[in-house]
Amino acid sequence: DTAVSQTPKYLVTQMGNDKSIKCEQNLGHDTMYWYKQDSKKFLKIMFSYNNKELIINETVPNRFSPKSPDKAHLNLHINSLELGDSAVYFCASSQDLRRVRYEQYFGPGTRLTVT
Amino acid sequence: GIQVEQSPPDLILQEGANSTLRCNFSDSVNNLQWFHQNPWGQLINLFYIPSGTKQNGRLSATTVATERYSLLYISSSQTTDSGVYFCAVAVRNFGNEKLTFGTGTRLTIIP
Repeated sequence: DTAVSQTPKYLVTQMGNDKSIKCEQNLGHDTMYWYKQDSKKFLKIMFSYNNKELIINETVPNRFSPKSPDKAHLNLHINSLELGDSAVYFCASSQDLRRVRYEQYFGPGTRLTVT
Repeated sequence: GIQVEQSPPDLILQEGANSTLRCNFSDSVNNLQWFHQNPWGQLINLFYIPSGTKQNGRLSATTVATERYSLLYISSSQTTDSGVYFCAVAVRNFGNEKLTFGTGTRLTIIP
């Protein structure tokens, strides 16, 4: 069984379009994250949600809007896509941050290409 | 914020060789993870090791939290070990923990 899954795996779209990426985890975790990996392979956190509540919001353009309908799902909607948004987006999850173990588990990634 | 440095940035080895990858970090951490990003882009959890030593087959890791570094050892390298190895750390911040990644070590194993 897949622990953290993302759809779609690949997304090719034109500048100015709006797109969404979906993430689901079946680990029973309370916290979910979005990370972005740029063309130089650098990984950086964008958002985290704990039990549907936004916890971390790094300096991400407000064209990016995460939504967590329940604690097993975290979606990422991107408006008015720009060339610089091309990257691989990873979803991750971990247990409640107040517990001792904080290991994060990552999904397979969504490669977004904006043309 | 916390700084994470990995060395070496690139490593090319013959199959069967051993290697040591290093991760230095600038603050006390309550989470340290090692990942392998394979050529298909998947991030695979290797170790959750904020302190101490762990082993898993040909791989082992040691974190010396008081000296702010972690080492990943790969023995008897295989071509499937190729890829980028990332160290990532998180500082305890009462619910606002986030993983900060190093820039990675790119390992290439030659048959």
